[in-house]
Amino acid sequence: EAGVAQSPRYKIIEKRQSVAFWCNPISGHATLYWYQQILGQGPKLLIQFQNNGVVDDSQLPKDRFSAERLKGVDSTLKIQPAKLEDSAVYLCASSHPTRYTGELFFGEGSRLTVL
Amino acid sequence: DAKTTQPNSMESNEEEPVHLPCNHSTISGTDYIHWYRQLPSQGPEYVIHGLTSNVNNRMASLAIAEDRKSSTLILHRATLRDAAVYYCILRDYGESNYQLIWGAGTKLIIKP
Repeated sequence: EAGVAQSPRYKIIEKRQSVAFWCNPISGHATLYWYQQILGQGPKLLIQFQNNGVVDDSQLPKDRFSAERLKGVDSTLKIQPAKLEDSAVYLCASSHPTRYTGELFFGEGSRLTVL
Repeated sequence: DAKTTQPNSMESNEEEPVHLPCNHSTISGTDYIHWYRQLPSQGPEYVIHGLTSNVNNRMASLAIAEDRKSSTLILHRATLRDAAVYYCILRDYGESNYQLIWGAGTKLIIKP
């Protein structure tokens, strides 16, 4: 079974530039998450999708971050314009929507450095 | 959301058992206890979860206190590949979006 795919693995940009990250979840997983992980901290949820609808985006900085999940499969997270504090690893995860399933499957992440 | 408390780091010798503690004194009746681990430069991976009874799988065992205010992840025979950050998380299945709230975790160092 293929895992969660993310790209690019690494990205370096100047502040005020824009960047986009792509995620393809495990086939059949209706729930998709984007997390931000700053060095030395645990992941912080940015947005959660159920199919192509948003379940929770309460911690997404909507003035600069946007995310979409067209057709309920793969997803894109965009940052525009980037700030220095956006330097982090952006993790995508997916899960089966069954209520009592415990497991989230994560991709390897996209490491962003903002200079 | 109920929170968890874990030691910042722990050391263990290779091929010995490891007991990783987690305190969750404000746990509610609908909170499941989840453990994930994150190897260097990788995304987190699921380890185990439980509600009230002790749980075993191929990776680890989860021992849950009778009052559910603490739990322990047990790696029966640690290898160098088990060196990672281990996260103890509560997941409330009473909430419709049952998101995970991650702390800083415990960094496990395995000495050869």
